Amino acid sequence: TQLLEQSPQFLSIQEGENLTVYCNSSSVFSSLQWYRQEPGEGPVLLVTVVTGGEVKKLKRLTFQFGDARKDSSLHITAAQPGDTGLYLCAGARTSGTYKYIFGTGTRLKVLA
Amino acid sequence: DSGVTQTPKHLITATGQRVTLRCSPRSGDLSVYWYQQSLDQGLQFLIQYYNGEERAKGNILERFSAQQFPDLHSELNLSSLELGDSALYFCASGEGGAFFGQGTRLTVV
Repeated sequence: TQLLEQSPQFLSIQEGENLTVYCNSSSVFSSLQWYRQEPGEGPVLLVTVVTGGEVKKLKRLTFQFGDARKDSSLHITAAQPGDTGLYLCAGARTSGTYKYIFGTGTRLKVLA
Repeated sequence: DSGVTQTPKHLITATGQRVTLRCSPRSGDLSVYWYQQSLDQGLQFLIQYYNGEERAKGNILERFSAQQFPDLHSELNLSSLELGDSALYFCASGEGGAFFGQGTRLTVV
């Protein structure tokens, strides 16, 4: 059972376009993280959000944690080819069997 | 470089065999997390250790076990290997397992 659904699964856009990736669950998380992973490498942490409604910005990337701490979004402004990669959200639960849950992933390709 | 070191980088072994994967966390980190990443299952949390003690357990098979030693390095033992165990195995350390190693690619043939 996948508890964290990401959408879209795949995204191919032109350089300069904006995009939003969604991470949704019916479970409440104590914190949520976003990672980017390149082929053959480990995921690299981009941001951690812990408070419902929290918004964090990292250059052209804006991360939002839902008010109920069940969902999150990642918005990229003016995408660049260097943004290409697999984006993963991950939630930490305070109860239940699976404490750390990763999303299904969004594979982004930005074309020059 | 995340500061998390995993060895070996690649491992090829036969079904039924047993292997040990090793992880050294970042300097000062007491927690170690193990994950499995496969094409069909995505990234799955296996187990977490904190300062030598098991802290949280995820979707880890009974054929798999882990431990964390006094020097804080950790080992993941996989036994009675099956073809379906072929995957990338990651170790992470830091708060919430934020810092990942480069992984061990296990191929079971």
